[in-house]
Amino acid sequence: LAKTTQPISMDSYEGQEVNITCSHNNIATNDYITWYQQFPSQGPRFIIQGYKTKVTNEVASLFIPADRKSSTLSLPRVSLSDTAVYYCLVGDFMNTGFQKLVFGTGTRLLVSP
Amino acid sequence: DGGITQSPKYLFRKEGQNVTLSCEQNLNHDAMYWYRQDPGQGLRLIYYSQIVNDFQKGDIAEGYSVSREKKESFPLTVTSAQKNPTAFYLCASSGGSGTSRRKQYFGPGTRLTVT
Repeated sequence: LAKTTQPISMDSYEGQEVNITCSHNNIATNDYITWYQQFPSQGPRFIIQGYKTKVTNEVASLFIPADRKSSTLSLPRVSLSDTAVYYCLVGDFMNTGFQKLVFGTGTRLLVSP
Repeated sequence: DGGITQSPKYLFRKEGQNVTLSCEQNLNHDAMYWYRQDPGQGLRLIYYSQIVNDFQKGDIAEGYSVSREKKESFPLTVTSAQKNPTAFYLCASSGGSGTSRRKQYFGPGTRLTVT
């Protein structure tokens, strides 16, 4: 299983772009990279998922270099409501199932006014 | 409105009592999961079910039991054998087609306090 390493916490201010990097040196060929967001006392919510290069949706972008040993979640122009914990997950859920995905302690993002 | 419901949101029990947490989904997903989350920690898998009438232990199944008699329901029982049952419990499901297959959908959680 691919082990992931993320910063424990990050601070930002409203309106800034935030980049959270996840390291996954032993990522396997079939592994996807997925990011979830969790607010206090709520279930995690899917943000974005990718396999290689760049993926963008309405809330975030995901940058994956060619060697796929890391990935960066980019949140443009954060607001106070983006204060949450962000989890990076790496795994081949299609073949091994979601039961093999491991939620680490995530990155606690604090956005200040 | 499709989604996962968990009830109740808060649950209080005395030590030594069994308690059952409810999880229902109307997403027509085949797979369902139970996680436990302790303060400041990530999620740990308790049990999962890939299909009706079948379920498997996760990483921390001791002291818990589940059933999967219907596709939409996956109740979790926290037994008196669970030594530290106080935690936030999250239910999730996955399935569907296309990009939906690559996501887990989570319920709002149940916070269990045992004293």
